[in-house]
Amino acid sequence: EPEVTQTPSHQVTQMGQEVILRCVPISNHLYFYWYRQILGQKVEFLVSFYNNEISEKSEIFDDQFSVERPDGSNFTLKIRSTKLEDSAMYFCASKIGSRNTEAFFGQGTRLTVV
Amino acid sequence: QQQVKQSPQSLIVQKGGISIINCAYENTAFDYFPWYQQFPGKGPALLIAIRPDVSEKKEGRFTISFNKSAKQFSLHIMDSQPGDSATYFCAASKGSDNKLTFGGGTRVLVKP
Repeated sequence: EPEVTQTPSHQVTQMGQEVILRCVPISNHLYFYWYRQILGQKVEFLVSFYNNEISEKSEIFDDQFSVERPDGSNFTLKIRSTKLEDSAMYFCASKIGSRNTEAFFGQGTRLTVV
Repeated sequence: QQQVKQSPQSLIVQKGGISIINCAYENTAFDYFPWYQQFPGKGPALLIAIRPDVSEKKEGRFTISFNKSAKQFSLHIMDSQPGDSATYFCAASKGSDNKLTFGGGTRVLVKP
């Protein structure tokens, strides 16, 4: 069964460092997302991406965040200068279509900023 | 107005019992209501979803009830099994923007 793959599964970084979280969405999907889940809290939308551009972003997704689809398969989330409060589980998701179709989630990357 | 409120935060049920999780929303533009199941260390996985043109949807032991006028929907897990022990999230989206707005989650523990 096709699945969304995220790497690494766990990343520890020093405050102020840049991190790149990587995702390989399901191959025929067209819509891509990043969500985050701070420990014990709900899953929050960060950004959606379609047709090689951001289609929507939340207020969490400020200038320190960026997304890229550098080739036909990878979808990355870059955090330029990490803060302690960026520590969370980051989930990539992808969908085949726009309206009311299932979003498939990866297993997540646990980011710990120290 | 974008919030989805979920209750209870946690639930303990005996094997064979019924687990009931409730969600309420404010935004009447929402038109898709999925439930996700999440096991520790894993991403959320779609369990069942409903659109507001139906009041109930059943898939196996899982049933969504939807009350459009009250802006509420609920998940019922019948004959709960220890393997159902997980965190359950309700969510909502509207077709125009695709993103999912999640409820706060319910941690369900099914005791054998």
